Amino acid sequence: GQQLNQSPQSMFIQEGEDVSMNCTSSSIFNTWLWYKQDPGEGPVLLIALYKAGELTSNGRLTAQFGITRKDSFLNISASIPSDVGIYFCAGQIISNFGNEKLTFGTGTRLTIIP
Amino acid sequence: DTGVSQNPRHKITKRGQNVTFRCDPISEHNRLYWYRQTLGQGPEFLTYFQNEAQLEKSRLLSDRFSAERPKGSFSTLEIQRTEQGDSAMYLCASSPSGISGGGDTQYFGPGTRLTVL
Repeated sequence: GQQLNQSPQSMFIQEGEDVSMNCTSSSIFNTWLWYKQDPGEGPVLLIALYKAGELTSNGRLTAQFGITRKDSFLNISASIPSDVGIYFCAGQIISNFGNEKLTFGTGTRLTIIP
Repeated sequence: DTGVSQNPRHKITKRGQNVTFRCDPISEHNRLYWYRQTLGQGPEFLTYFQNEAQLEKSRLLSDRFSAERPKGSFSTLEIQRTEQGDSAMYLCASSPSGISGGGDTQYFGPGTRLTVL
């Protein structure tokens, strides 16, 4: 199945550093979402973006919906240990059936170095 | 806890056996989705229900897979004659009934991890 291109694949940072990751697609989406997944658990929604060009914040997280509707960016400021995990972007588009299935990126694994 | 629940959390089976997973969505969520996630990848869409009607199936869902949602509440995903390639995390998500224009948030369950020996 289709997977969105997400980069970087992994990041090793020190606590307190800022983090940036992005996601690109060959297709247009009308919603972009960012999820975080901890080992052995399901993805948890962090931020949802509904309009091209939209910039949305949730605490230390900031995400942007690209103008072309084919990309999105996530920034995490002042990272803390609980930020460790895998971050997934997801694009959402309404199909002919009204299905709002998600197309996920390949993930960015964030590790904090002591 | 009013989130999406999935059972069992883990399942180990031998190749050729049948397995069934259950998903209980958030109460009153009309839409229910199944995704599959293999190691190192993001989740991939399998199938989708609007109430009890199964409206779309991915080509990833072979004939050995069947999903049901009787009465539009919980859903089951059955895999017959399991193969080693079926080993994955099976995730269920639910969302409210969509308003035209969509964008309803999907809430995921913890997943069922299947290992086929």
